[in-house]
Amino acid sequence: DIQLTQSPSFLSASVGDRVTITCRASQDIRSYFAWYQQKPGRAPNLLIYSASTLRSGVPSRFRGSGSGAEFTLTISSLQPEDFATYYCQQYNSYPRTFGGGTKVEIK
Amino acid sequence: QVQLVQSGAEVKKPGASVKVSCKASGYRFTAYYIHWVRQAPGQGLEWMGWINPNSGDTYFAQRFQGRVSMTTDTSISAAYMELGGLRSDDTAVYYCARDFRDGFDYWGQGSLVTVSS
Repeated sequence: DIQLTQSPSFLSASVGDRVTITCRASQDIRSYFAWYQQKPGRAPNLLIYSASTLRSGVPSRFRGSGSGAEFTLTISSLQPEDFATYYCQQYNSYPRTFGGGTKVEIK
Repeated sequence: QVQLVQSGAEVKKPGASVKVSCKASGYRFTAYYIHWVRQAPGQGLEWMGWINPNSGDTYFAQRFQGRVSMTTDTSISAAYMELGGLRSDDTAVYYCARDFRDGFDYWGQGSLVTVSS
């Protein structure tokens, strides 16, 4: 199984901050990679797929980059509605796996 | 608009089975695989498996094989996930999600399954 290691697991930041979350895969997954945002009590919401493609309707302050085994999600200027937990996912092979999550909280 | 609407919360005793439904609307149901993902309280996301509504083919994560089944009823655009031999650590929110071949673009609202004696 492909392991996804997300870091950090917890992040405290202020509105307007630039935030970076990293996800490292245990093997090459090319660009078969996605990022999701989840708010408490809600289902995950797809933000980015194919490692760097912004889903329609997602604000442009979200940016995904990387390929192979190292990926990054950057939020250029954190907004109040961005405080949530973020998960990475690989869909290169089965079983589909998710990272452990990064909780972004207000400083 | 695409929607996946799941069945309500369930409380089950250890050893019992639970069947969760996921009713799709707003798209051609047979054109996209449906996956099931669960999330234990305060924990991360765990993928369980998929079903191809067009063929009925399924694929399960190894840890659920023998205990899970996934079916569909294409006449009403519904998918079902049944998990048997329930244990306390199966207590979780169960989600269905549509696979658009680049991840999961639409999710159900989640169904809480509580396993307790």
